[in-house]
Parts: sequence; structure tokens; C-alpha cells
Amino acid sequence: GQSLEQPSEVTAVEGAIVQINCTYQTSGFYGLSWYQQHDGGAPTFLSYNALDGLEETGRFSSFLSRSDSYGYLLLQELQMKDSASYFCAGTGGYQKVTFGIGTKLQVIP
Amino acid sequence: GAVVSQHPSWVICKSGTSVKIECRSLDFQATTMFWYRQFPKQSLMLMATSNEGSKATYEQGVEKDKFLINHASLTLSTLTVTSAHPEDSSFYICSARPTASGSPLHFGNGTRLTVT
Repeated sequence: GQSLEQPSEVTAVEGAIVQINCTYQTSGFYGLSWYQQHDGGAPTFLSYNALDGLEETGRFSSFLSRSDSYGYLLLQELQMKDSASYFCAGTGGYQKVTFGIGTKLQVIP
Repeated sequence: GAVVSQHPSWVICKSGTSVKIECRSLDFQATTMFWYRQFPKQSLMLMATSNEGSKATYEQGVEKDKFLINHASLTLSTLTVTSAHPEDSSFYICSARPTASGSPLHFGNGTRLTVT
């Protein structure tokens, strides 16, 4: 099975940088994904790391260390619209994707 | 690319009735689709893996006879909630990936089911 841990809530100031950490325990690990979900909406894909290192996509970056079973999502130049829940998700055996509890990010002026 | 369409987006039904939710991959073929359920302010919980041309694989604790899954083609999976009860009220989301190995999931817009 899989389990992923991430903080339940984070608050950050508009324009700042925030990092959301995720640790995982999983068998047959393929990679770590990050999803954004606004209230009432479906998850939208942000990034995916299959290999160690940093992946950058615009203001968002994601990092993975397989040896440490650890990853993070970095959001730069925060905007009010970034207020949402962010889920880390691990792809494991049989290509199943298991989600963490989600981190509710509140961006304040 | 990698668009997943889910229908309906919301449905209200009476206790004891059945509801069918469709999930389509619009621009790719998906031999496998996944059905998730999400209660308010909680995470997404995998219910079952839908396999084209064969039986679905259900997660522990998910009733097969209550949540019927059919994956009749490479672009369509359906979830039928049978004999719905108020506790089945939830957000149901399907997902699929374009290729088999390790690529990320893409989600439909979800179906909000309310059972009265």
C-alpha cells in the first residue's frame, strides 16, 4: 500500500514563496504528482516527478528525492488565485495513484 | 490533449434509486480508468480500477454490488450507484492516463451526487 503525509494547512502572503512538503511510503513507487483543487472543483494536474530532481513549470516547481521518499511543491510569486488545496499523489503498484490528505493553502494580501 | 469528460456534473436522486455516471477519454484511449470518491474537506479515495473488457478491481471496503463499473470501450467507463442512500452523497471523480506506465492522471470534472 501507500501512504503520503503533507501538512493540512499553510498560509502565505501574496507575492511570497511557499513550499509544501510531502513524504511517502509506498511499494513499487513510480513517481510523485501534484494536483491543485479549488473548492467545488476537480483536481487539476500540476506536475509529475519520476526521477530525482527539480521540475519547473512557470511559477510552480516540484522536487523529488527517491532516496529520502520526499518531495515538495514550490509556488513562487504567490497570487490570490493560488488559494486552493494541493495534493501530493504517489503512483505505485498496478499504476494506482494514492493521494495525500491535501494541504489547504491560504494566500493573504 | 488528455481530456477526460465526466457526465453529469451534478445529480440529485431519491433514496433507493440508481444513478449512472459516465467517464470518457476524449482524445486518447484508456484501457484503465480510475474512480475516486471525495467527501467534503477530505482527500480523494480510490474506489476501483476500471479495466476495459474485464472486471473492475475494487478497493477494500468498496461494495462491488453497490458500485457497478462497466468499461465497455477504450474511451468509456461508467459507474452506477445502485440503491443509493444519503450516505452515498459525495463527489465522484473519474480519471485516466494516456499511456500505461507512470504518466500522470487526468481527471474529469467530477459528479456531485446528492441522495435525498
